[in-house]
Amino acid sequence: GQNIDQPTEMTATEGAIVQINCTYQTSGFNGLFWYQQHAGEAPTFLSYNVLDGLEEKGRFSSFLSRSKGYSYLLLKELQMKDSASYLCAVRGPNAGKSTFGDGTTLTVKP
Amino acid sequence: GAGVSQSPRYKVAKRGQDVALRCDPISGHVSLFWYQQALGQGPEFLTYFQNEAQLDKSGLPSDRFFAERPEGSVSTLKIQRTQQEDSAVYLCASSLGGGGKEQFFGPGTRLTVL
Repeated sequence: GQNIDQPTEMTATEGAIVQINCTYQTSGFNGLFWYQQHAGEAPTFLSYNVLDGLEEKGRFSSFLSRSKGYSYLLLKELQMKDSASYLCAVRGPNAGKSTFGDGTTLTVKP
Repeated sequence: GAGVSQSPRYKVAKRGQDVALRCDPISGHVSLFWYQQALGQGPEFLTYFQNEAQLDKSGLPSDRFFAERPEGSVSTLKIQRTQQEDSAVYLCASSLGGGGKEQFFGPGTRLTVL
């Protein structure tokens, strides 16, 4: 099975940089996703990593180390609208099935 | 353009009632997923379709839960004899290819069982 750990809550200041970590233990690995979910809304896709390294997309970057079972999401130039829950999800050996962590609630303060 | 839509958005059921939740995926999307999300937790995988074939139903919590996608487009999640522990948001997602890299989520159906 899959086990995913990420911090429950984080707080950061507008304009700053924040790194949200995710560690996972898996019996098979076919990629790691990050999703953003605002309160009361559906998750929206941020990034997908299947190979080791850093993927950059605008203000958001995602890093993966498969040997360490570790990923992080880096958010730069934080804006108030970035306050949301950030979900880490791992796709296992059965391609369709992804396991989500419980999310990290990020609060951006002025 | 049209995204994933779900209906109803809210459903209140009395314990023991049957409910049916509908998902309209993005047109042309091959893969369709159902998730259950409890308050303060991440989405929990229920089942996965590729076209009309249900390839994985390992996440369905009991035989009271049943999902179908008969024509490879619209999907229905049915819960029979609802229990209070079934109260949650039920999310549907679709993706263009098989296996679901970027999944597009619908707004969810919030089910409350009294």
